[in-house]
Amino acid sequence: EIVLTQSPATLSLSPGERATLSCRTSQSVSDFLAWYQQKPGLPPRLLIYDASNRATGIPARFSGSGSGTDFTLTISSLEPEDSAVYYCQQRSNWPFGGGTKVEIK
Amino acid sequence: QVQVVESGGGVVQPGRSLRLSCAASGFMFNIYAMHWVRQAPGKGLEWVALISYDGSNKYHADSVKGRFTISRDNSKNTLFLHMNSLRPEDTAVYFCARGLVEFTDYFYMDVWGKGTTVTVSS
Repeated sequence: EIVLTQSPATLSLSPGERATLSCRTSQSVSDFLAWYQQKPGLPPRLLIYDASNRATGIPARFSGSGSGTDFTLTISSLEPEDSAVYYCQQRSNWPFGGGTKVEIK
Repeated sequence: QVQVVESGGGVVQPGRSLRLSCAASGFMFNIYAMHWVRQAPGKGLEWVALISYDGSNKYHADSVKGRFTISRDNSKNTLFLHMNSLRPEDTAVYFCARGLVEFTDYFYMDVWGKGTTVTVSS
């Protein structure tokens, strides 16, 4: 089983700042990695798939990069509505990462 | 409108059974794999089960293997999760989700329901 480790656990930033979230996998997953956003009381929303492809309707301030074992989700300029928990997941197996909570100051 | 709507949750005693349903609409249900994902109170996401578009492949998380069974009825655009021998640790919100890519068993999920709550308690 491939383990996905996300860091940091919590990120606290101000509106307009850049957020950088990390996801590391215990084995190479090529570029087969997705990112989800979940706000309290709501289901997750797919943001990015195959490491760098934005899902339908996702704003351009969200971008993904990486391959192999190291991946990054970048929010270029934080908006207040970006406050959420972000999870990574690989395409071919089930575990989600443990999540990164993004707080907007 | 593309959507999935879960139902069937409730309060159940340990050791009992429950069946969750997920009604799909607005898309061709029979060409997409479907998933169940759960989230215990205050915890992260845990994938539970996947069924391929035609029902030929089924996968279950180790934590539920032998107790839960995923199934689908493509004639009724409905997904099911049959849960037996329920335990307190199965308490969670259960989400139904659609696989992103047609005719594949990828674990990417792009359409999610709002979830149904299962509470296992005596």
